[in-house]
Amino acid sequence: EAGVAQSPRYKIIEKRQSVAFWCNPISGHATLYWYQQILGQGPKLLIQFQNNGVVDDSQLPKDRFSAERLKGVDSTLKIQPAKLEDSAVYLCASSFVSGGYNEQFFGPGTRLTVL
Amino acid sequence: AQSVAQPEDQVNVAEGNPLTVKCTYSVSGNPYLFWYVQYPNRGLQFLLKYITGDNLVKGSYGFEAEFNKSQTSFHLKKPSALVSDSALYFCAVRVPGAGSYQLTFGKGTKLSVIP
Repeated sequence: EAGVAQSPRYKIIEKRQSVAFWCNPISGHATLYWYQQILGQGPKLLIQFQNNGVVDDSQLPKDRFSAERLKGVDSTLKIQPAKLEDSAVYLCASSFVSGGYNEQFFGPGTRLTVL
Repeated sequence: AQSVAQPEDQVNVAEGNPLTVKCTYSVSGNPYLFWYVQYPNRGLQFLLKYITGDNLVKGSYGFEAEFNKSQTSFHLKKPSALVSDSALYFCAVRVPGAGSYQLTFGKGTKLSVIP
């Protein structure tokens, strides 16, 4: 089966610009996650969707980050305006159900550099 | 709050020798525990998980992990290391329950297998 797809793979922007990332989860996976992975750290959950509803966005900096999952399939994560500290790899993951015991499948990530 | 500690930033092992990557956790309740591996410029790949039952869990690529409740540990092991096992390894924990199924990751351990 096809894995989690993400685009773009790399993005370089200047601070205060905006940027958007796209994710297409594995077919049939109801739960979708966006993580931020700063160099030298483990991934940190930004937001979790169950179908097209938000389950957890407690760690999403809502003043500059937004995410949506229209129709419960693809998702976009946006940063506006970007700050230097947003430089990181943004990982999208999906899982079959949100039962908590199911492993998550990760995409290759988008490496964002903010200059 | 749940947390994961990976006390070693790097582990070096000779090819053919056994390897251990350490992980300890702190949660209130019974945890779900996961190991993921990350190769350069790739997303995280699931290796194995502990949900309940047998404390020794076997996973992909010959890896196994032992859940030790009294020591709150979930160390990753392999009897004979391969050069291709060189990668970044992440331990993660989740507490089952209603609502968000946030996966909390450790900071990662870089494994280098020396030929």
